[in-house]
Amino acid sequence: QQQVKQSPQSLIVQKGGISIINCAYENTAFDYFPWYQQFPGKGPALLIAIRPDVSEKKEGRFTISFNKSAKQFSLHIMDSQPGDSATYFCAASYGYTSGSRLTFGEGTQLTVNP
Amino acid sequence: DTAVSQTPKYLVTQMGNDKSIKCEQNLGHDTMYWYKQDSKKFLKIMFSYNNKELIINETVPNRFSPKSPDKAHLNLHINSLELGDSAVYFCASRGANEKLFFGSGTQLSVL
Repeated sequence: QQQVKQSPQSLIVQKGGISIINCAYENTAFDYFPWYQQFPGKGPALLIAIRPDVSEKKEGRFTISFNKSAKQFSLHIMDSQPGDSATYFCAASYGYTSGSRLTFGEGTQLTVNP
Repeated sequence: DTAVSQTPKYLVTQMGNDKSIKCEQNLGHDTMYWYKQDSKKFLKIMFSYNNKELIINETVPNRFSPKSPDKAHLNLHINSLELGDSAVYFCASRGANEKLFFGSGTQLSVL
């Protein structure tokens, strides 16, 4: 059962453009929604995260928008740069205990053309 | 000074062999994980340990056996390797605010 669905699978954007990746979740118990960035040959690294008590969080060029009623959240990358080319994963989890686990979306391959 | 280090980086082996992947974290975290990333890059949790105790054991063939000798180490042993085991295996540890720190992965190729 895929609890976090991510789209699009791949995305090509021109330098300076806005990249938008969307995720939808099913489990209303989820209370933590991070985005991870993965470069080839490397492990995923936390980019930005949000909790459902806010509708938006911004860190530099990266913004998460969160819609609790629609059970959706998205990553916006402003002024996209070639160095942003990577695979992006949304994820969700609930309950900060030793048994909590992150459920990942399928990933989005972002290519930013110069 | 790598926070989460796993070895080897690449592992090429024949079907039926037994192999191990080692993972160490120097972050002082209590909780560690093994994730499997398939050819489509989908990340799926396999196991989780908290302070040497097995907490999460997803539906993984019992050919896969994790072992945690102490809270800084979580190794993965795989018996009787099959073609379908080919993937990238990531070790991770969990820090404050649920942030996961991943190793750089072990690319396993079963021939």
